Amino acid sequence: ETGVTQSPTHLIKTRGQQVTLRCSSQSGHNTVSWYQQALGQGPQFIFQYYREEENGRGNFPPRFSGLQFPNYSSELNVNALELDDSALYLCASSLGAGGPGSEQFFGPGTRLTVL
Amino acid sequence: GDSVTQMEGPVTLSEEACLTINCTYTATGYPSLFWYVQYPGEGLQLLLKATKADDKGSNKGFEATYRKETTSFHLEKGSVQVSDSAVYFCALTYTGNQFYFGTGTSLTVIP
Repeated sequence: ETGVTQSPTHLIKTRGQQVTLRCSSQSGHNTVSWYQQALGQGPQFIFQYYREEENGRGNFPPRFSGLQFPNYSSELNVNALELDDSALYLCASSLGAGGPGSEQFFGPGTRLTVL
Repeated sequence: GDSVTQMEGPVTLSEEACLTINCTYTATGYPSLFWYVQYPGEGLQLLLKATKADDKGSNKGFEATYRKETTSFHLEKGSVQVSDSAVYFCALTYTGNQFYFGTGTSLTVIP
């Protein structure tokens, strides 16, 4: 069973640029969630994709967008990067659209630095 | 709104000491509660969970009990090991799609 993988591991961008982060879900999982984890903070929910549709969104501006593909892998796109976007971006996969006690399986994250 | 508050870290303990990491939550309904652990350079891993009041989650010697009356889910272990050094996150969710995490508590166990 393959776990959640993310690419790239590290990324450096400059303010105003655009970035795309990628995630492959765990085998058999059809749901992907994205989180932003600033240094010294807990993960903050960005959004979730279930069967290629957005299925919930946190308090993030529209310049944060995503996609889910038929193989359930996913992309997170961030436009017009700001310094405060520097963080660890975590992808989590799960089976189904949720439910009490549903567990999410996390990838190792992509460390984004915006200069 | 819904939120999770964890005790401030960092926490430093000697091997075989007792551990308690406090977690309290604010919720409008009846969420499921989780503890996740993050080892250096890795993603979060589920440590334990509880889905309703008075449930006790346990794993690898760690325990936490869902206390509705005190809105708490404190993490405990009777004897910590060096390998337990990590950052611990308390979290809640209603539907399993959006998780609300605390800020994390860093634990260092020294031999």
